[in-house]
Amino acid sequence: KQEVTQIPAALSVPEGENLVLNCSFTDSAIYNLQWFRQDPGKGLTSLLLIQSSQREQTSGRLNASLDKSSGRSTLYIAASQPGDSATYLCAVNPNFNKFYFGSGTKLNVKP
Amino acid sequence: GAVVSQHPSRVICKSGTSVKIECRSLDFQATTMFWYRQFPKQSLMLMATSNEGSKATYEQGVEKDKFLINHASLTLSTLTVTSAHPEDSSFYICSAEVVNPYNEQFFGPGTRLTVL
Repeated sequence: KQEVTQIPAALSVPEGENLVLNCSFTDSAIYNLQWFRQDPGKGLTSLLLIQSSQREQTSGRLNASLDKSSGRSTLYIAASQPGDSATYLCAVNPNFNKFYFGSGTKLNVKP
Repeated sequence: GAVVSQHPSRVICKSGTSVKIECRSLDFQATTMFWYRQFPKQSLMLMATSNEGSKATYEQGVEKDKFLINHASLTLSTLTVTSAHPEDSSFYICSAEVVNPYNEQFFGPGTRLTVL
Protein backbone atom coordinates (compact mmCIF):
# COMPACT_ATOMS: atom_id res chain seq x y z
CA LYS A 1 0.00 0.00 0.00
CA GLN A 2 1.22 3.46 -0.90
CA GLU A 3 2.32 5.57 2.08
CA VAL A 4 2.78 9.30 1.79
CA THR A 5 4.81 11.32 4.27
CA GLN A 6 5.13 15.06 4.53
CA ILE A 7 7.91 16.87 6.35
CA PRO A 8 7.86 19.11 8.27
CA ALA A 9 4.48 18.78 9.96
CA ALA A 10 4.52 22.48 10.75
CA LEU A 11 6.56 25.42 9.58
CA SER A 12 6.66 29.05 10.65
CA VAL A 13 8.56 31.60 8.57
CA PRO A 14 8.76 35.38 8.30
CA GLU A 15 7.12 37.06 5.36
CA GLY A 16 9.23 37.19 2.22
CA GLU A 17 11.15 34.02 2.86
CA ASN A 18 11.43 31.27 0.27
CA LEU A 19 10.50 27.84 1.56
CA VAL A 20 10.32 24.19 0.56
CA LEU A 21 7.77 21.61 1.60
CA ASN A 22 8.61 17.95 1.21
CA CYS A 23 6.55 14.94 0.25
CA SER A 24 7.79 11.37 -0.01
CA PHE A 25 5.99 8.24 -1.15
CA THR A 26 6.89 4.58 -0.86
CA ASP A 27 5.82 3.21 -4.25
CA SER A 28 7.32 4.95 -7.27
CA ALA A 29 4.71 3.49 -9.63
CA ILE A 30 2.46 6.52 -9.72
CA TYR A 31 0.27 8.09 -12.36
CA ASN A 32 0.45 11.63 -11.03
CA LEU A 33 0.95 13.69 -7.89
CA GLN A 34 -1.10 16.67 -6.82
CA TRP A 35 -0.43 19.46 -4.31
CA PHE A 36 -3.36 21.03 -2.49
CA ARG A 37 -3.95 23.84 -0.09
CA GLN A 38 -6.49 23.61 2.72
CA ASP A 39 -7.61 26.55 4.81
CA PRO A 40 -9.06 25.83 8.28
CA GLY A 41 -12.51 24.27 8.07
CA LYS A 42 -12.49 24.39 4.29
CA GLY A 43 -12.14 22.00 1.40
CA LEU A 44 -9.08 21.53 -0.76
CA THR A 45 -7.83 23.82 -3.48
CA SER A 46 -5.69 22.24 -6.17
CA LEU A 47 -2.37 24.02 -6.62
CA LEU A 48 -0.33 21.93 -9.00
CA LEU A 49 -0.65 18.59 -10.73
CA ILE A 50 2.44 16.75 -11.97
CA GLN A 51 2.21 13.81 -14.28
CA SER A 52 4.59 10.90 -13.73
CA SER A 53 6.45 11.82 -16.90
CA GLN A 54 7.04 15.40 -15.78
CA ARG A 55 9.81 16.81 -13.60
CA GLU A 56 8.17 20.00 -12.45
CA GLN A 57 5.23 22.34 -12.74
CA THR A 58 5.07 26.05 -12.03
CA SER A 59 2.23 28.38 -11.19
CA GLY A 60 3.06 31.90 -10.12
CA ARG A 61 5.21 31.77 -6.99
CA LEU A 62 4.78 28.01 -6.68
CA ASN A 63 7.00 25.36 -8.19
CA ALA A 64 6.50 21.66 -7.65
CA SER A 65 9.08 19.07 -8.58
CA LEU A 66 8.83 15.32 -8.89
CA ASP A 67 11.54 12.70 -8.65
CA LYS A 68 9.61 9.52 -9.15
CA SER A 69 12.57 7.16 -8.87
CA SER A 70 13.41 8.38 -5.39
CA GLY A 71 9.78 8.79 -4.35
CA ARG A 72 9.97 12.50 -3.64
CA SER A 73 8.23 15.71 -4.48
CA THR A 74 8.85 19.24 -3.27
CA LEU A 75 6.70 22.33 -3.28
CA TYR A 76 8.71 25.53 -3.45
CA ILE A 77 7.03 28.76 -2.42
CA ALA A 78 8.87 31.94 -3.36
CA ALA A 79 8.58 35.22 -1.47
CA SER A 80 6.06 33.87 1.02
CA GLN A 81 3.13 36.04 2.11
CA PRO A 82 0.81 35.87 5.15
CA GLY A 83 -1.96 34.82 2.78
CA ASP A 84 0.01 31.65 2.06
CA SER A 85 -0.67 30.46 5.61
CA ALA A 86 -2.59 27.19 5.32
CA THR A 87 -2.09 23.45 5.39
CA TYR A 88 -0.46 22.02 2.30
CA LEU A 89 -1.25 18.46 1.31
CA CYS A 90 0.31 16.27 -1.30
CA ALA A 91 -1.59 13.37 -2.81
CA VAL A 92 -0.29 10.51 -4.90
CA ASN A 93 -2.41 8.84 -7.56
CA PRO A 94 -1.05 5.37 -8.25
CA ASN A 95 -3.63 4.00 -10.64
CA PHE A 96 -5.88 6.57 -12.28
CA ASN A 97 -8.50 7.03 -9.66
CA LYS A 98 -7.29 6.55 -6.12
CA PHE A 99 -5.43 9.21 -4.20
CA TYR A 100 -3.31 8.70 -1.13
CA PHE A 101 -2.79 11.79 0.98
CA GLY A 102 0.05 12.85 3.19
CA SER A 103 -0.69 14.25 6.62
CA GLY A 104 0.09 17.78 5.51
CA THR A 105 2.40 20.63 6.42
CA LYS A 106 0.85 23.47 8.34
CA LEU A 107 2.46 26.70 7.19
CA ASN A 108 2.37 29.97 9.09
CA VAL A 109 3.83 33.04 7.41
CA LYS A 110 4.35 35.81 9.92
CA PRO A 111 3.88 39.43 8.84
CA GLY B 1 -11.05 24.92 -12.93
CA ALA B 2 -13.93 22.56 -12.36
CA VAL B 3 -16.29 23.39 -9.50
CA VAL B 4 -17.64 20.92 -6.98
CA SER B 5 -20.26 21.86 -4.42
CA GLN B 6 -21.43 20.14 -1.24
CA HIS B 7 -24.61 20.55 0.69
CA PRO B 8 -25.08 21.12 3.53
CA SER B 9 -21.89 22.81 4.65
CA ARG B 10 -22.68 22.14 8.26
CA VAL B 11 -25.16 19.85 10.00
CA ILE B 12 -25.91 19.07 13.62
CA CYS B 13 -28.11 16.11 14.38
CA LYS B 14 -29.18 13.89 17.22
CA SER B 15 -27.74 10.46 17.75
CA GLY B 16 -29.68 7.80 15.86
CA THR B 17 -30.79 9.99 12.97
CA SER B 18 -29.63 9.70 9.37
CA VAL B 19 -27.93 12.50 7.50
CA LYS B 20 -27.60 12.91 3.75
CA ILE B 21 -24.75 14.89 2.19
CA GLU B 22 -24.83 15.88 -1.47
CA CYS B 23 -21.86 16.33 -3.76
CA ARG B 24 -22.39 17.99 -7.13
CA SER B 25 -20.11 18.71 -10.06
CA LEU B 26 -21.41 22.05 -11.31
CA ASP B 27 -19.82 22.53 -14.69
CA PHE B 28 -18.72 19.07 -15.73
CA GLN B 29 -19.80 15.47 -15.65
CA ALA B 30 -18.05 13.07 -13.32
CA THR B 31 -18.34 9.34 -13.72
CA THR B 32 -16.24 8.93 -10.61
CA MET B 33 -16.53 10.77 -7.32
CA PHE B 34 -14.76 10.13 -4.05
CA TRP B 35 -15.76 10.52 -0.43
CA TYR B 36 -13.19 11.36 2.21
CA ARG B 37 -13.32 11.80 5.93
CA GLN B 38 -11.02 14.09 7.85
CA PHE B 39 -10.50 14.10 11.60
CA PRO B 40 -9.19 17.21 13.34
CA LYS B 41 -5.58 17.96 12.50
CA GLN B 42 -5.33 14.84 10.38
CA SER B 43 -5.21 14.20 6.69
CA LEU B 44 -7.94 12.91 4.44
CA MET B 45 -8.94 9.29 4.59
CA LEU B 46 -10.57 7.84 1.51
CA MET B 47 -13.84 6.19 2.44
CA ALA B 48 -15.20 5.07 -0.89
CA THR B 49 -15.14 5.52 -4.62
CA SER B 50 -18.51 6.35 -6.12
CA ASN B 51 -19.16 5.26 -9.68
CA GLU B 52 -22.13 6.50 -11.67
CA GLY B 53 -24.62 3.73 -12.29
CA SER B 54 -22.89 1.10 -10.19
CA LYS B 55 -22.19 0.22 -6.59
CA ALA B 56 -19.62 2.18 -4.66
CA THR B 57 -16.28 0.65 -3.80
CA TYR B 58 -15.52 0.96 -0.10
CA GLU B 59 -12.12 1.10 1.51
CA GLN B 60 -11.17 -1.50 4.05
CA GLY B 61 -12.68 -0.81 7.42
CA VAL B 62 -15.47 1.43 6.14
CA GLU B 63 -18.95 0.05 6.87
CA LYS B 64 -20.97 0.18 3.68
CA ASP B 65 -24.26 -0.22 5.56
CA LYS B 66 -23.31 2.70 7.74
CA PHE B 67 -22.20 5.01 4.96
CA LEU B 68 -24.57 4.62 2.02
CA ILE B 69 -23.38 6.06 -1.27
CA ASN B 70 -25.55 6.68 -4.30
CA HIS B 71 -24.19 8.08 -7.56
CA ALA B 72 -27.44 8.41 -9.49
CA SER B 73 -26.31 10.85 -12.14
CA LEU B 74 -23.13 12.16 -13.73
CA THR B 75 -23.28 15.28 -11.59
CA LEU B 76 -24.52 14.05 -8.23
CA SER B 77 -23.30 11.65 -5.56
CA THR B 78 -24.82 11.39 -2.11
CA LEU B 79 -23.43 10.05 1.15
CA THR B 80 -25.93 9.04 3.81
CA VAL B 81 -24.67 8.48 7.32
CA THR B 82 -27.22 6.10 8.79
CA SER B 83 -28.06 5.96 12.48
CA ALA B 84 -25.40 8.51 13.23
CA HIS B 85 -23.47 8.39 16.48
CA PRO B 86 -21.12 10.93 18.07
CA GLU B 87 -18.10 9.05 16.74
CA ASP B 88 -19.34 9.79 13.22
CA SER B 89 -18.77 13.47 13.86
CA SER B 90 -16.19 14.58 11.34
CA PHE B 91 -15.47 16.67 8.28
CA TYR B 92 -16.64 14.93 5.12
CA ILE B 93 -15.21 16.00 1.78
CA CYS B 94 -16.08 14.81 -1.68
CA SER B 95 -14.13 15.11 -4.88
CA ALA B 96 -14.91 14.57 -8.53
CA GLU B 97 -12.54 13.36 -11.13
CA VAL B 98 -11.94 15.08 -14.44
CA VAL B 99 -10.51 12.38 -16.65
CA ASN B 100 -9.21 14.45 -19.52
CA PRO B 101 -6.48 15.13 -19.79
CA TYR B 102 -4.87 14.29 -16.47
CA ASN B 103 -7.27 12.54 -14.08
CA GLU B 104 -7.30 15.56 -11.83
CA GLN B 105 -9.46 15.68 -8.74
CA PHE B 106 -11.45 18.72 -7.70
CA PHE B 107 -12.73 18.94 -4.18
CA GLY B 108 -15.90 20.22 -2.63
CA PRO B 109 -15.83 22.64 0.31
CA GLY B 110 -16.64 19.92 2.83
CA THR B 111 -19.46 19.20 5.27
CA ARG B 112 -18.99 19.47 9.00
CA LEU B 113 -21.14 16.83 10.73
CA THR B 114 -21.72 17.03 14.47
CA VAL B 115 -23.72 14.27 16.11
CA LEU B 116 -24.97 15.07 19.58
